[in-house]
Amino acid sequence: AQKITQTQPGMFVQEKEAVTLDCTYDTSDQSYGLFWYKQPSSGEMIFLIYQGSYDEQNATEGRYSLNFQKARKSANLVISASQLGDSAMYFCAMRDNFNKFYFGSGTKLNVKP
Amino acid sequence: KAGVTQTPRYLIKTRGQQVTLSCSPISGHRSVSWYQQTPGQGLQFLFEYFSETQRNKGNFPGRFSGRQFSNSRSEMNVSTLELGDSALYLCASSLITGGGYTFGSGTRLTVV
Repeated sequence: AQKITQTQPGMFVQEKEAVTLDCTYDTSDQSYGLFWYKQPSSGEMIFLIYQGSYDEQNATEGRYSLNFQKARKSANLVISASQLGDSAMYFCAMRDNFNKFYFGSGTKLNVKP
Repeated sequence: KAGVTQTPRYLIKTRGQQVTLSCSPISGHRSVSWYQQTPGQGLQFLFEYFSETQRNKGNFPGRFSGRQFSNSRSEMNVSTLELGDSALYLCASSLITGGGYTFGSGTRLTVV
């Protein structure tokens, strides 16, 4: 069964520092996709970054990078130079071979000034 | 361009009633998915529609149903509401099924 695990319910980071949000996944599919979304208090889910299971390079999008370790089945999100506006819930998600999506329980990130 | 639009934003219903939520995807997107988000269960996939056909379905009872129209707009219906149906219902659209989804702001349903 597909499963996404985010073990950090809450995280604090100092403004301008980098932070890593953990995500591990469990699947026997060979082809899958990994996503990170940000959900501010307004409720809208904002797409941040995508990594395909066959992509050899780690995905990067501005201050976001995805540390993809396929053998360990981990897809950690790294946010560099944290900003106050980064305070939000962050969800890791996986798309399986059947295009079904599975979400982790989320990590609440608080950026301190 | 306009994002994913969900209406209404907030809704209060009584147990036993039914409710219909609406989602207008980004123009050109043909895939629409629905999710239920609760503090206890997190984000759970309800169903996905592509070109008016249900492509995927999550593990929800038959009280939860949906449809997609020819213009890709989608509706979700919940019949015989229960207190446990109180949640944020999120709709997401994508160009293709399984693609990178763009989410709407959600409809917060409260069942009393």
